Amino acid sequence: DSGVTQTPKHLITATGQRVTLRCSPRSGDLSVYWYQQSLDQGLQFLIQYYNGEERAKGNILERFSAQQFPDLHSELNLSSLELGDSALYFCASSVGGGVGEKLFFGSGTQLSVL
Amino acid sequence: QQPVQSPQAVILREGEDAVINCSSSKALYSVHWYRQKHGEAPVFLMILLKGGEQKGHEKISASFNEKKQQSSLYLTASQLSYSGTYFCGTYQGGKLIFGQGTELSVKP
Repeated sequence: DSGVTQTPKHLITATGQRVTLRCSPRSGDLSVYWYQQSLDQGLQFLIQYYNGEERAKGNILERFSAQQFPDLHSELNLSSLELGDSALYFCASSVGGGVGEKLFFGSGTQLSVL
Repeated sequence: QQPVQSPQAVILREGEDAVINCSSSKALYSVHWYRQKHGEAPVFLMILLKGGEQKGHEKISASFNEKKQQSSLYLTASQLSYSGTYFCGTYQGGKLIFGQGTELSVKP
């Protein structure tokens, strides 16, 4: 158990819908990362937050948005869902988000868009 | 740009050794290695920082050559538990970017 909690574990929805994925980082970790993993794309970096502020942004679609709240949990919002958004979404956390820090990954949310 | 890993896949017998390479077209200041077992989350193995040091985890070690912008992961006397997909990651523009992964299968 990494200490990072992601909910829900599975999500099945239809095209055009909107969903929210939730992540609670390890106790004491200030930085949260979101990654998307699909079969042909590996682990794709979406976005990173540190203590409530956006620190780095990857090729995140405009239909996707995220935020980190004062209690440090984070949410990833996916809207106008398309079939291609089906993937495993991982959240990870680290203490301060520095380059020498290891990431602890949650167990992921499997999103299926039908 | 994503770091490039090679090989893409490797099959070993228990007790055999393997090397997984990771290279980048951009200057490297650190290299991260993670292992992901099927159906599970990636798990941290080690970080190598600029300086060419080697690190170890169980019978897994790694090297980092910042001049060649490469890192290699060495798996010695592989065990069944080593099976999984290995990812290297490098920081680019403040983002931890992972390679496409190397799938390692260890057979009895």
